Amino acid sequence: AQSVTQLDSQVPVFEEAPVELRCNYSSSVSVYLFWYVQYPNQGLQLLLKYLSGSTLVESINGFEAEFNKSQTSFHLRKPSVHISDTAEYFCAVSRTSGTYKYIFGTGTRLKVLA
Amino acid sequence: DTGVSQDPRHKITKRGQNVTFRCDPISEHNRLYWYRQTLGQGPEFLTYFQNEAQLEKSRLLSDRFSAERPKGSFSTLEIQRTEQGDSAMYLCASSLDGRTLNYGYTFGSGTRLTVV
Repeated sequence: AQSVTQLDSQVPVFEEAPVELRCNYSSSVSVYLFWYVQYPNQGLQLLLKYLSGSTLVESINGFEAEFNKSQTSFHLRKPSVHISDTAEYFCAVSRTSGTYKYIFGTGTRLKVLA
Repeated sequence: DTGVSQDPRHKITKRGQNVTFRCDPISEHNRLYWYRQTLGQGPEFLTYFQNEAQLEKSRLLSDRFSAERPKGSFSTLEIQRTEQGDSAMYLCASSLDGRTLNYGYTFGSGTRLTVV
């Protein structure tokens, strides 16, 4: 079975400061890794994913995440946040075969302060 | 293609009533998933369809819950005899096969159910 841990339930940060949202996973088999963002009263939007290849993946809006197999981590980073980045961020894993169902973490609420 | 559509966006129902939600996935996606999200939690897997076949159901899906995907297109999730504990956001997602480079769920905006 797989599990995902997001230790930080809330992360306040000032605008233009860097941020890191932590995600650790546990799995005995190979996994795909994802970060999703959820704005209030909306569904989840894919931010970035790791399927294979380069362990550093980037999104179009400046976020990046690095897959670290030895530390079983997939932390999300952004060098300079904007007010509009305020949202809830979910890390998820899926197996690389079968149903591909996601196991989600409990989420991290990022609040960007002016 | 406008993405994954869910209807209704909000549903308030009295305890004991039946409710049905609809999900229209992206047309070329053969995989469809239902998840439930409660306040302060990440989404939890409920069930999965590949085309019209329901291939996996979570233990969270009690006998009061049933899902269908006739003809492998839209899907419905029905909850019978609703209970207050059923209050949650119900999310639908669709995807291509996991072996494709474009793999990744596309979620709908969800249906928020409130049982009073």
